[in-house]
Amino acid sequence: AQTVTQSQPEMSVQEAETVTLSCTYDTSESDYYLFWYKQPPSRQMILVIRQEAYKQQNATENRFSVNFQKAAKSFSLKISDSQLGDAAMYFCAYRRASNTGNQFYFGTGTSLTVIP
Amino acid sequence: DSGVTQTPKHLITATGQRVTLRCSPRSGDLSVYWYQQSLDQGLQFLIQYYNGEERAKGNILERFSAQQFPDLHSELNLSSLELGDSALYFCASSATSGGWYQETQYFGPGTRLLVL
Repeated sequence: AQTVTQSQPEMSVQEAETVTLSCTYDTSESDYYLFWYKQPPSRQMILVIRQEAYKQQNATENRFSVNFQKAAKSFSLKISDSQLGDAAMYFCAYRRASNTGNQFYFGTGTSLTVIP
Repeated sequence: DSGVTQTPKHLITATGQRVTLRCSPRSGDLSVYWYQQSLDQGLQFLIQYYNGEERAKGNILERFSAQQFPDLHSELNLSSLELGDSALYFCASSATSGGWYQETQYFGPGTRLLVL
């Protein structure tokens, strides 16, 4: 079974600084997708960034980028120039590349505090 | 706004009761997923429907059931409710059943269920 581990329950960062959130996963499959979702106090789940396992290049979305290490099964999220609006719970998620069900497996989340 | 709607937003009921949660996917999306998020927990996958048929099943209790209707909206039925069923229930949708497509799930705002 796939498992996703986020070992940092809480993180904090100064406004305008950079922070990295860690995520590791366990799988025996070679093709899959990885995602980071943000959950602000409103509890809405908002897609931040996604990565295809077959792509070597790390995904980037504006101030958000990932460090994908397939051999190490690691998928960390880097937030640059942190803003107050980045404060939220961040969830790492794994999805199989298969037609037999493609549900997400989520980690337990990292609560990010941004300090003004 | 993800385009996924869920009703009701909040639901308070008593133990032993039955409730129905409703989800309308984004226009054109054929797959609907249900997730449960208990307090301070990650999201747990419950069940997936694709174009009216069950596609994948996760950690869904026998007291829970779901269906997807011809107009593609979905309902999650929770019966014989227990205190531990109190949680945030998310619905998500995607265009297809997933598979080999780099496909994202878009989440609704959730239904907060409180069982007293």
